[in-house]
Amino acid sequence: DARVTQTPRHKVTEMGQEVTMRCQPILGHNTVFWYRQTMMQGLELLAYFRNRAPLDDSGMPKDRFSAEMPDATLATLKIQPSEPRDSAVYFCASGLPQVPRQQFFGPGTRLTVL
Amino acid sequence: AQKVTQAQTEISVVEKEDVTLDCVYETRDTTYYLFWYKQPPSGELVFLIRRNSFDEQNEISGRYSWNFQKSTSSFNFTITASQVVDSAVYFCALLMNRDDKIIFGKGTRLHILP
Repeated sequence: DARVTQTPRHKVTEMGQEVTMRCQPILGHNTVFWYRQTMMQGLELLAYFRNRAPLDDSGMPKDRFSAEMPDATLATLKIQPSEPRDSAVYFCASGLPQVPRQQFFGPGTRLTVL
Repeated sequence: AQKVTQAQTEISVVEKEDVTLDCVYETRDTTYYLFWYKQPPSGELVFLIRRNSFDEQNEISGRYSWNFQKSTSSFNFTITASQVVDSAVYFCALLMNRDDKIIFGKGTRLHILP
């Protein structure tokens, strides 16, 4: 049963600390997405990659957020320095560009910045 | 601009009642996909259904059914004989064929009361 995995599942940190979230996409999926879910904004796309190359990161605060895919099996989202307003659930999803165009979501990382 | 509206923020029904969750979308594209996701209290996003814009046939899966009407840009979701386990937040979402970004509605929180 292929699934997207994310680590850590929960993270509590203090303001100013660096946070790194990791995602392992489903094997064979060449498109990886990062979403953020908050009560106020709902689910919003931060960035996504295809074949490890960033295609769109317009939803991501550039000054403190960065996303990378060191290899096809790992995507990372880093926040440095973290702020309380970054508290949210961060979802990773993977998929393929052809039909059925479905994105498979990981379980999410719940981040709390104190 | 593309948009998904779920006007019902929160709904409560008594178990065994039928309930319909509304979804209205906006797009000028002719080829697009519509989705419903369920987010139970555990937090993961569970895929329920995908529809492409050329397939207006309604679909039934057990107690779940979906009514897609292009004339009114709606993709409503009905749960028949609701159960407590159906309690969750339900998201309607839109994906344009020319793009990779899923646009989510704000979600409808459904409470099924025993």
